[in-house]
Order: sequence, then structure tokens, then C-alpha cells
Amino acid sequence: QVQLQESGPGLVKPSGTLSLTCAVSGGPISSTYWWSWVRQPPGTGLEWIGQIHHSGDTIYNPSLKSRVTISADKSKNLFSLNLNSVTAADTAVYYCARRVEGRSLFDFWGQGILVTVSS
Amino acid sequence: QSALTQPASVSASPGQSITISCTGTSSDVGGYNFVSWYQQHPGKAPKVMIYDVSNRPSGVSHRFSGSKSGNTASLTISGLQTEDEAEYYCTSYTTTKTWVFGGGTKLTVL
Repeated sequence: QVQLQESGPGLVKPSGTLSLTCAVSGGPISSTYWWSWVRQPPGTGLEWIGQIHHSGDTIYNPSLKSRVTISADKSKNLFSLNLNSVTAADTAVYYCARRVEGRSLFDFWGQGILVTVSS
Repeated sequence: QSALTQPASVSASPGQSITISCTGTSSDVGGYNFVSWYQQHPGKAPKVMIYDVSNRPSGVSHRFSGSKSGNTASLTISGLQTEDEAEYYCTSYTTTKTWVFGGGTKLTVL
């Protein structure tokens, strides 16, 4: 059974960088999937942030593209999210998820991690 | 990219059926058969209920079904049960190779 687990600081200062890691177990990230980040501000809906393919290709939400970097470490079987120049509007629960290539199927999700942007 | 449009809330009694709509454009919902639906209970991660418009993952109840017509996709839940009460989100692939979510629909089972 595939499992995803987010980790990282729960508090980030304004103008700083939000850095999260998603550890994947139960299967290698070097397989035909896209590995994604999705966030959910408190009390609101889901927002797709971006994704990375096992080949290293990345695609980002245009509204966040200038501030986002998603990378992967196959040796550690994890992928990461960096979001710079954060503001209070970036406060959210951040989820990592796996999407099946060629499908609209985000089949496995992490439990989510709340990141608060505050001084 | 603009969020897909969903009704803010729907409600029905146990045993009844409901349909939640998800309206986009020809650049997302209308252009591809890559629409999926997610159920989210409070404090929990989303769970896929339907993918590729009308496919049901193994383990998901047959009471859940999906369809699409033009720029609008729909999720139908039949024989409502109290455990179906949750927030539901649609998502679609777009022409820019990105994914866009709907604003979410709160389902109340009275």
C-alpha cells in the first residue's frame, strides 16, 4: 500500500520560504506517476500547486509559478515543495498526492500539514 | 486559470439522490475527459470517488456515478447515507497542462 507523508516547519515568517517534503513508501517515485502538491487555505477549497514527473518534468499553477519549485530525490524516494516570498495568503494545509499518468486520478494523498505564515 | 463552478451546498434526506454540477469551459471540462471528483470529510485528506468523468476506483460504492455534457460535469450520489455528508470537489485537466479544482460543494444529509 502506497503511503505519502508530508513534513516540514509549521510556521514560516512572511517573505520567507516555505519548504516541505513528501516521503513516499510502498512504491518507488521512479515510476509512471506524477507527484503533486495541493493546498487548502483554512475554511476554503483545494488549489493545485504543481507536479513533478518521474522523468523530472515539472508543471506549475500559473498563479504560483514565479514562486514555486518542486523537486524529487529518487535515492530517498521523496519529493519536495519550495514556495518563496510567502505571505499570510499562503497559510494553508498542504497535501502531497500521487496522480496516475494519463488519468485524472489522484489516488493516494498524504494526511496534510498545516503551514502558517506569521511573524 | 479560474476555479470550476460548483454549487456551494446541496442537501437531501437519506435514501434520496443528489447531483452536484461542475461547470468549466472548453479549455478544461469541455475539452477533455479528465474530470475527477473528491470527497473530503472535515480534517481529512480528499478521497477520489470518480475519475476520468465516469470511472469508479475499486472500493468506491456503486452509489457514486459521474457524467459530463459539454462544459459541465456531474456527480450523482444515489441512496444517500449519513456518511456521505462531506465536501465534494471536482477537478479537471486544462489546455495549459495544469489542473484546476472547483470551489467545493457541501453535502448535507438531513
